Amino acid sequence: KAGVTQTPRYLIKTRGQQVTLSCSPISGHRSVSWYQQTPGQGLQFLFEYFSETQRNKGNFPGRFSGRQFSNSRSEMNVSTLELGDSALYLCASSLDRGGGRPQFFGPGTRLTVL
Amino acid sequence: AQSVAQPEDQVNVAEGNPLTVKCTYSVSGNPYLFWYVQYPNRGLQFLLKYITGDNLVKGSYGFEAEFNKSQTSFHLKKPSALVSDSALYFCAVRGLISSGSARQLTFGSGTQLTVLP
Repeated sequence: KAGVTQTPRYLIKTRGQQVTLSCSPISGHRSVSWYQQTPGQGLQFLFEYFSETQRNKGNFPGRFSGRQFSNSRSEMNVSTLELGDSALYLCASSLDRGGGRPQFFGPGTRLTVL
Repeated sequence: AQSVAQPEDQVNVAEGNPLTVKCTYSVSGNPYLFWYVQYPNRGLQFLLKYITGDNLVKGSYGFEAEFNKSQTSFHLKKPSALVSDSALYFCAVRGLISSGSARQLTFGSGTQLTVLP
């Protein structure tokens, strides 16, 4: 079974631009979560989607948004990019929202904001 | 709010020796606990989880973890370390309460494990 895929793997943008990252979950997985990973802040939860609905949101500004499609694929968007948005963005999928379900992570998208 | 502490940023161990990576947690009620490993320029790989039952949980690649409710700890262990185990290890917790931020998977800051040949 194929793992979680994320595209693109690397992205370079300039301040003020916007960016869209894509995530395809493991086949059959319906829950998708997004995380931001930086050396200073570690792994921070962005949001979780299930059945095309945002179920949970972390403490990030409204510039960060996402959505999930009927096939469970998800996208996240960051508008008006800031230098501090440079990070590894990780997508994770799980079968459902059961608390004991492990999340399986993609390789991440490395975003660099210049 | 739930939280995870990994008190050691770096753990060094000689190949063949046992290794322990420490994790303590804070959560309302009983926890779901997880360990993940991250290799350079890769996503996180799931190692093992504790839901309920036996306090010693076995996972992938010979790793195991011991749940201690009284000490709110979930330390990762391996009897004999390999150089290939060198990576960044994350402990994570999710509360049983099915609402709000308790449903989030909260990660520790990570521990860099280096196994020396």
